[in-house]
Amino acid sequence: EIVLTQSPATLSLSPGERATLSCRASQSVRSYLAWYQQKPGQAPRLLIYDTSNRATGIPARFSGSGSGTDFTLTISSLEPEDFAVYYCQQRFIWPPLTFGGGTKVEI
Amino acid sequence: EVKLLESGGGLVQPGGSLRLSCAASGFTFSSYAMNWVRQAPGKGLEWVSGLSGSGTDTFYADSVKGRFTISRDNSKNTLYLQMDSLRAEDTAVYFCAKSPISQHPYYFEYWGQGTLVTVSS
Repeated sequence: EIVLTQSPATLSLSPGERATLSCRASQSVRSYLAWYQQKPGQAPRLLIYDTSNRATGIPARFSGSGSGTDFTLTISSLEPEDFAVYYCQQRFIWPPLTFGGGTKVEI
Repeated sequence: EVKLLESGGGLVQPGGSLRLSCAASGFTFSSYAMNWVRQAPGKGLEWVSGLSGSGTDTFYADSVKGRFTISRDNSKNTLYLQMDSLRAEDTAVYFCAKSPISQHPYYFEYWGQGTLVTVSS
């Protein structure tokens, strides 16, 4: 099973700042990594798939990069609605499909 | 507009059974793989099970294999999860999630709002 480790656990930033979230895989997942955003009491929302492709309707301030075992989600300039928990997920070696433990972006 | 609406959650005793349903609309249901993903209270996300669009291929996490059964009725645009031999650690919000392709779980591009399952005596 591929283990995904996200860091930091919590990121404290202000609106307008740049957020950089990390996801590290226990072995290569090639480019098959996605990112999700989840707000309290809501379902997750797909942001990025296959490392760098934005899902439908996702603003351009969200971008993804990386390959192999190290991946990054960048939010170029935080909007108030971006404060949430972010999860990465791999689809290269499955079952199981696995998620990281999450990074909370807080004010 | 894609809509996924889960139902069937509730309180059940350890060892009991429950069947979850997910009613889908806004897309050609039989053309896409579907999944169940759960989230224990205050915890992260865990993929539970997936099913191809045709219903012929099923996939499970080891934690539920042999206890849970995923199925679908494409004539009713509905996904199911039969949960047997429930344990306290199965307590979670269960989300129904649509994949972007037919054959494999892949990613989860649309999600329902979830249904809470509580396993407790």
